[in-house]
Amino acid sequence: AQKITQTQPGMFVQEKEAVTLDCTYDTSDPSYGLFWYKQPSSGEMIFLIYQGSYDQQNATEGRYSLNFQKARKSANLVISASQLGDSAMYFCAMSSLITQGGSEKLVFGKGTKLTVNP
Amino acid sequence: KAGVTQTPRYLIKTRGQQVTLSCSPISGHRSVSWYQQTPGQGLQFLFEYFSETQRNKGNFPGRFSGRQFSNSRSEMNVSTLELGDSALYLCASSPTPTGAILNTEAFFGQGTRLTVV
Repeated sequence: AQKITQTQPGMFVQEKEAVTLDCTYDTSDPSYGLFWYKQPSSGEMIFLIYQGSYDQQNATEGRYSLNFQKARKSANLVISASQLGDSAMYFCAMSSLITQGGSEKLVFGKGTKLTVNP
Repeated sequence: KAGVTQTPRYLIKTRGQQVTLSCSPISGHRSVSWYQQTPGQGLQFLFEYFSETQRNKGNFPGRFSGRQFSNSRSEMNVSTLELGDSALYLCASSPTPTGAILNTEAFFGQGTRLTVV
C-alpha cells in the first residue's frame, strides 16, 4: 500500500528565509508521481509542484523546488525567500499509474502547518 | 476558465439527516474525486468518477454515495448523518482519471464544510 509521511506537524520560518518541508513515501509501484499542495485557511488545495519517479532532475516552479531523493524515498519541498502569504498547510501526495496496478487515487500525508513570521 | 465549484460552502445538519453536496468540475474535465478532510484523519479518499462511472471507492461505509452526471458535475450524498461526519469535503477535478497520466494535477474546489450537530 502507498503511504506518505510528513513528520513535521508545524514549522516556523522568518520572512525572506528558505524553509524545507519533509516528505517521505512508500510504494512498490515503479512509476509514480509526487505532488505538493498548499491549503490556506480558505480550504482550497492549490497545486504547487510535481515530480515524476523517472524524472532525472529535481522539479522547480518559481520559489518552489522539490528535493527528490529516490533511493531514500523522499520528496522534500523547498520554499525560498518565504513570504507572509506562504503561511498555510502543505500536503505531500502521491499517485501511481493505473496500468501498474496503482491505487488510482491521490494519497496524502497529514500535512505540515507553515507559519511565516515577519 | 472557471475553477472547481463546490456548493454549498457551509452546511449544518442534525444527526440522522441526509445531505447532498455538489461539485462542478473545470470545463472539459471528466474526472471528479471526493475527499473527506478531518483534523484527526487528514485527507481521506472517498470515490472517483470518470465519465459517469465510479472508478474507485475508498474505505467508507455505504452511507456515503455519489454519482456523476453527463455534464461531469458530481454529487455526493451522506445518509443518516453521524457526528463524526463533520468535516471539510473536497472535490477535485482532472481531465483524465487519477493515475492514467502521472503528471496530471488535480484541481480542487474550496470545499464544503459540513457540521453535524
